[in-house]
Amino acid sequence: AQTVTQSQPEMSVQEAETVTLSCTYDTSENNYYLFWYKQPPSRQMILVIRQEAYKQQNATENRFSVNFQKAAKSFSLKISDSQLGDTAMYFCAFMKRGSARQLTFGSGTQLTVLP
Amino acid sequence: SAVISQKPSRDICQRGTSLTIQCQVDSQVTMMFWYRQQPGQSLTLIATANQGSEATYESGFVIDKFPISRPNLTFSTLTVSNMSPEDSSIYLCSVNGGEETQYFGPGTRLLVL
Repeated sequence: AQTVTQSQPEMSVQEAETVTLSCTYDTSENNYYLFWYKQPPSRQMILVIRQEAYKQQNATENRFSVNFQKAAKSFSLKISDSQLGDTAMYFCAFMKRGSARQLTFGSGTQLTVLP
Repeated sequence: SAVISQKPSRDICQRGTSLTIQCQVDSQVTMMFWYRQQPGQSLTLIATANQGSEATYESGFVIDKFPISRPNLTFSTLTVSNMSPEDSSIYLCSVNGGEETQYFGPGTRLLVL
């Protein structure tokens, strides 16, 4: 079974600054996907970024990028130029490739962007 | 990405009653998933709903409590039966979009009194 750990329950950052959210996972699989989702107060789950484990290049999406360290089983999210709208709960998630496509979620990190 | 809607968006129910939550997708999808998010917690998978077959339930969830229907490739329902206050949660459906990525509906907030 897979486990996903987010060790930072809460974080805050000043507007326009950069923040990094941590995520580690445990798996015996070699082929899998990793995701970051955000959940603002509306409770809608929004995909932020996706990483394929067999790709060494770190994924980027505009102001969001990841630092994927496969050997260390680490998958951190960096948010650059933080905006007030980035305030949300952020969940790290794991999906085994070729499986029933079930997502295993971490416990979440509440990020607050301060004006 | 898929566009997913859920009904109702929220509800307040009495103990012992049942509530059926609907999930509608704007395109045909093979797999649909139902998750529960208890207050202040992360998401936990309840079951996977496949069209034309019985849903597959995760450990700790049973069909009698959470019956699921999947009549076609764009629609599914989850029923929360014989509710108790412990069932107060957000219930979310999701579908697999392209590239092994799941997209979520807006969720149904359930409060059981």
